[in-house]
Amino acid sequence: KAGVTQTPRYLIKTRGQQVTLSCSPISGHRSVSWYQQTPGQGLQFLFEYFSETQRNKGNFPGRFSGRQFSNSRSEMNVSTLELGDSALYLCASSLGDGGTIYFGEGSWLTVV
Amino acid sequence: AQKVTQAQTEISVVEKEDVTLDCVYETRDTTYYLFWYKQPPSGELVFLIRRNSFDEQNEISGRYSWNFQKSTSSFNFTITASQVVDSAVYFCALSVHRTGANNLFFGTGTRLTVIP
Repeated sequence: KAGVTQTPRYLIKTRGQQVTLSCSPISGHRSVSWYQQTPGQGLQFLFEYFSETQRNKGNFPGRFSGRQFSNSRSEMNVSTLELGDSALYLCASSLGDGGTIYFGEGSWLTVV
Repeated sequence: AQKVTQAQTEISVVEKEDVTLDCVYETRDTTYYLFWYKQPPSGELVFLIRRNSFDEQNEISGRYSWNFQKSTSSFNFTITASQVVDSAVYFCALSVHRTGANNLFFGTGTRLTVIP
C-alpha cells in the first residue's frame, strides 16, 4: 500500500514569506505528526494531530501551525519565515498509540 | 524528561564486518516504546523496528538484530556482515505512552559508512 506522501519535496522561500506543506498519511492511519530536522538541533517534534484535533505540541513558536482534515491529510504552515527555519520537515503517520510510526520522504525547505 | 543518547557519532567498517550501534535511553515512565530508523541521503526515515517496554525479547531479522535490556536502559542494534547499502544515518527514538506515544524523542544519530 502507498506510504506517507509529502509535497512539495523541495522549495525555496524568502524571509518573511509563509509556507504550507502537505502530508497524506497511510490509508487508515488517523495520527499524523510533524518533525523538523536541522543539522544543529537534530530531529524535533512539532505537533501531532489525531482525528482533526491537535493532541500534542512540541516547543516551537506560534509561527508553526498545522491542521488535519477529515480524510486524515494534514498540512503544516510556517508564517513569517526566518533563515533558521531552513530544514527538512518530516511527516509521520500511525494507526494510533503505540503502533508503528512511518515517515514520509520529507520536504526540504530553504529560506533565503 | 525523556532522553536518547547515541554516543557514536560516526562509524566506519569494511564490508562484511559486523557492527553494533549503541542506544541508551532515559525515562521514568514504565510504558514506553523504542524505535530504530535508517535515514539514507534522500532524507526519508525508514522504519526498522519497534519495541514496547514490556517486550524485552531480542529480535533477529535477516542481517539485523536488536538487543533490548531494561536493566541497562539500552536498545542496541547490530548489523551482521555489513554491506555498502547499509551506509546511512541510524536513529534510535523513544516515546512515552503517558505524554504521547507518537511524540518521538530522537537521539543524535550514528552515521555508518561501509567501505567496499
